[in-house]
Amino acid sequence: GAVVSQHPSWVICKSGTSVKIECRSLDFQATTMFWYRQFPKQSLMLMATSNEGSKATYEQGVEKDKFLINHASLTLSTLTVTSAHPEDSSFYICSARDRGIGEKLFFGSGTQLSVL
Amino acid sequence: GNSVTQMEGPVTLSEEAFLTINCTYTATGYPSLFWYVQYPGEGLQLLLKATKADDKGSNKGFEATYRKETTSFHLEKGSVQVSDSAVYFCALSPASGGSYIPTFGRGTSLIVHP
Repeated sequence: GAVVSQHPSWVICKSGTSVKIECRSLDFQATTMFWYRQFPKQSLMLMATSNEGSKATYEQGVEKDKFLINHASLTLSTLTVTSAHPEDSSFYICSARDRGIGEKLFFGSGTQLSVL
Repeated sequence: GNSVTQMEGPVTLSEEAFLTINCTYTATGYPSLFWYVQYPGEGLQLLLKATKADDKGSNKGFEATYRKETTSFHLEKGSVQVSDSAVYFCALSPASGGSYIPTFGRGTSLIVHP
């Protein structure tokens, strides 16, 4: 089946630094990728939707200048948390839609970010 | 707006016990309903789905029936195994618009003991 690779699995960084998370579709072309965030014991919250070659669409309340999303190719999307602060500590997960399958989504394994 | 509510975990069971994880939703129209499963260290995987009222989704011994009258999509399995230990997410995607962007519940952790 389709595989989405997300790296790193976990990262610890100092406050004020930037962290990049990669999401790759390994055996299919992902026209659309989604980035979610999950706080402990809460739902997966959609942060943004990115389409290859165009600017990401951010959900209400998500700071686009803090969470930079790039979807430069059909197999790669990146999320950069800029000037991270402790309140950005969370679980981030990406998902991708296979252009040939439509409704079905494939998920990465997630990234646990801890900002000290 | 759309929302999904699922029971808070963890749910702890002995092997071969009966499992129910409750899920209710709020949405307009007839959304598609899903259960995803996340095994330790892996991404979410689609477990089963139902696209219209009274449909039953099933996979790997798990079942869920789309109940429009109670806006529910409870997950059940007759006899759980240790290998079923995972986090289970209930989700819905809108009935129209073609976006297919799912709304998720908070996830319910299932722990099955030998």
